[in-house]
Formats: sequence, structure tokens, C-alpha cells
Amino acid sequence: DARVTQTPRHKVTEMGQEVTMRCQPILGHNTVFWYRQTMMQGLELLAYFRNRAPLDDSGMPKDRFSAEMPDATLATLKIQPSEPRDSAVYFCASGLWQTSGANVLTFGAGSRLTVL
Amino acid sequence: SQQGEEDPQALSIQEGENATMNCSYKTSINNLQWYRQNSGRGLVHLILIRSNEREKHSGRLRVTLDTSKKSSSLLITASRAADTASYFCATDAFGAGSYQLTFGKGTKLSVIP
Repeated sequence: DARVTQTPRHKVTEMGQEVTMRCQPILGHNTVFWYRQTMMQGLELLAYFRNRAPLDDSGMPKDRFSAEMPDATLATLKIQPSEPRDSAVYFCASGLWQTSGANVLTFGAGSRLTVL
Repeated sequence: SQQGEEDPQALSIQEGENATMNCSYKTSINNLQWYRQNSGRGLVHLILIRSNEREKHSGRLRVTLDTSKKSSSLLITASRAADTASYFCATDAFGAGSYQLTFGKGTKLSVIP
């Protein structure tokens, strides 16, 4: 089965450190989403790419978060500097865009971030 | 911001019983999807229903959509212990050339053997 691969699976870091999470979308998918999941807020959309172009990052704190797709096989989410409130599970998901808007997503296993 | 809201937040049933989860949303949608998340894992797509459809089946799953009430339900028939998971509805929206797929907070289903 085709999979979305996320690294690292777990990350513990100290406040102020830079954190980079990586995602390899499914080959042939042209959309990539980053979500953050916490108990309090549920799943929050952070960023959305189509054909590697960022289309929506309105859910992302711009002062410390950045998301990029340097090529079709890699998406990155960077936090600099990290804060304890960033502790969460970060999911990457990819899909094949359809004009009908039926964008079915395949999720990665997530990166669990703990900021001390 | 959350578009969909699932109800109930948690549901506990005996194996073999049916489980019904509901989702309400606020704005017009093109499609509605249901996903499942097992503990510690990523979400897995279950079923998609388009805004012009009223009901859809997939195995033991039955999804309904009422666009006039802005609500959907997911029915799992003859539940199994393996159905224990959190279930999320996801709604899509177009706006200003962008596209968003937003999730509710989920219903946590426990199926007791």
C-alpha cells in the first residue's frame, strides 16, 4: 500500500529550539496538508499545498511556523523557536486534487512533538 | 476553526450493536467525508458523500446527508471490538480560490466485547 511517510515519529525538545518535521507524500498526489492535533483544539489545518504551491496557510502562526515543498517528494514544517504550547501531534496528509473538490486524504502516522 | 461538530463526544456499546454518530456543520459544502483514527495512528478515510447525495453505503457503514439541516450521520452496523476508534467528519469549502478540508473534534467509540 502507498503510504505517507513522516519523520520524526517522536521529538522531545527544549523551548527555543528549532524543530523540523518532514513528510513524503504519496507519489502522484498533488495536494499536501499539514494538520496539528491536540486534545483541546482537535485537528487544526495549518497549511495546504497544491502542485507544490502554498494555497492556504492562514491557520499557521506566521511568526514561528513555516511550511515548504522543496520538491514533489518532500514537504517540511518548521517551528523556530519552539514553545511548550506547540506540543501536539502533527499530521501530514496527501491527496489527488479533483475539480469536484472530492479530495480524499491519506494521512501519515504523525509526528508527536513535546516541547519542554 | 472547526466546521463540523460530531455528536456524541463519546459512545460505548456492546459488540453486535449498531453505533450512530452525527455531524453538524455550519456553511455550504461540496462533499462530506468520514475518517477513523485508531489510538496513536493517523486518520483513515472511510467514505465520502457528495452534496447531491442523500445516502451512501460501504460494507457495514451507512452515511446519510441532509443539506437542509446541515447534518450527516454515520451508522456502523453489527459493531465489532475492532471498530473501537475515534470517528471524524470532514467538510470541504472553497473560498477566494482556496480550499479547506476541516475536521470536527470526533466521536470516540468504544465497542465492548
